[in-house]
Amino acid sequence: GAGVSQSPSNKVTEKGKDVELRCDPISGHTALYWYRQSLGQGLEFLIYFQGNSAPDKSGLPSDRFSAERTGGSVSTLTIQRTQQEDSAVYLCASSLARGLAGVRPANEQFFGPGTRLTVL
Amino acid sequence: AQSVTQPDIHITVSEGASLELRCNYSYGATPYLFWYVQSPGQGLQLLLKYFSGDTLVQGIKGFEAEFKRSQSSFNLRKPSVHWSDAAEYFCAVLYSGAGSYQLTFGKGTKLSVIP
Repeated sequence: GAGVSQSPSNKVTEKGKDVELRCDPISGHTALYWYRQSLGQGLEFLIYFQGNSAPDKSGLPSDRFSAERTGGSVSTLTIQRTQQEDSAVYLCASSLARGLAGVRPANEQFFGPGTRLTVL
Repeated sequence: AQSVTQPDIHITVSEGASLELRCNYSYGATPYLFWYVQSPGQGLQLLLKYFSGDTLVQGIKGFEAEFKRSQSSFNLRKPSVHWSDAAEYFCAVLYSGAGSYQLTFGKGTKLSVIP
């Protein structure tokens, strides 16, 4: 079946512009995650969605970053007024929902190919 | 807070040689541990995972990893490396709590394979 897809694969923008990055999770996966991969910081968690709500936004680096998810499926990560330090690869992942109480969560995360963002 | 340390930034091995990539974690509860591989320009592919039970887990592509609670380690091994194994390898621990499920990754180990 289809994996996690992300678009665009590459995005070049000018400092100060807004960008939107899209993620299509695996069908049936109710959990969705955004991570950022940069040379200096490695792989960092940004935000976690369960359905359309985001119980954990603790990794968003500033209020210029926001994300939403609609229909329990597609998610969009928006970066406003981009800065050069936002340049990175943004990775999306999805997983099945957590299991019933007492059962360990089925939390194998499947990753998309990423969007490489370059801010000039 | 949870953390993962991969002490080797870059490892070079000859094709056919054995491989061990080190990973140490810090986590206050029973850890769920993962190894991912990333080829250039690609996303992350799961190699194997440890949730509970047998401490030696088998993964794809001939990889295995051993969980050692006493050493807080989850080292990745392969008995005979192939040139196609050249990639970057990431160890991760799953943090689950306060309504979140997030992976904390190590900095990665880049593997080069000499023909």
